[in-house]
Amino acid sequence: QKEVEQDPGPLSVPEGAIVSLNCTYSNSAFQYFMWYRQYSRKGPELLMYTYSSGNKEDGRFTAQVDKSSKYISLFIRDSQPSDSATYLCAMRELTGGGNKLTFGTGTQLKVEL
Amino acid sequence: GAVVSQHPSWVICKSGTSVKIECRSLDFQATTMFWYRQFPKQSLMLMATSNEGSKATYEQGVEKDKFLINHASLTLSTLTVTSAHPEDSSFYICSAPQARQGGYEQYFGPGTRLTVT
Repeated sequence: QKEVEQDPGPLSVPEGAIVSLNCTYSNSAFQYFMWYRQYSRKGPELLMYTYSSGNKEDGRFTAQVDKSSKYISLFIRDSQPSDSATYLCAMRELTGGGNKLTFGTGTQLKVEL
Repeated sequence: GAVVSQHPSWVICKSGTSVKIECRSLDFQATTMFWYRQFPKQSLMLMATSNEGSKATYEQGVEKDKFLINHASLTLSTLTVTSAHPEDSSFYICSAPQARQGGYEQYFGPGTRLTVT
């Protein structure tokens, strides 16, 4: 079993839809959670960074963490074609691991006109 | 936010030659940098941790003699793919952590696409 599970998609939604992206994890030592967006042939870009259970909102993006269920989500409201990309969840332990991130496989999202 | 650059952005080389990829943190210092490899439609796989002033730490299964890492300064790490072969063709991405509230935030470079012919 992988430490981080993420549905690879592809996920196709119409413009304006609410998108829900999810990851589950098995390592209870993970305490920091991130969502990255990666356009084709580009490096990942940090979207959200959280370290506590609950919701964190930034514009059209909301990150949700449920440590008791080992489940994190990213919601995108009013999705736009420019949101079409691969979304990667990433996690890190509180101490140890040397700041290494463990990534999910990424979910490919396509927002259609 | 912090900026990490990579050079070159893409490179084509012949089998058997060596290729050097640079990773720079432009507006902050990084004692540690990370090198990743990404195959098409797959996630990032950590190859090694680059440590300024000391040896790199390689992940299991990564040949340290093939992927030479040098962290020459607090803003520069290099990855040299030695005696490259077609199977080394991939997208190589570096990242550098910067301290922020609650921990560290990883900033990624734009990646280097290597094609070995």
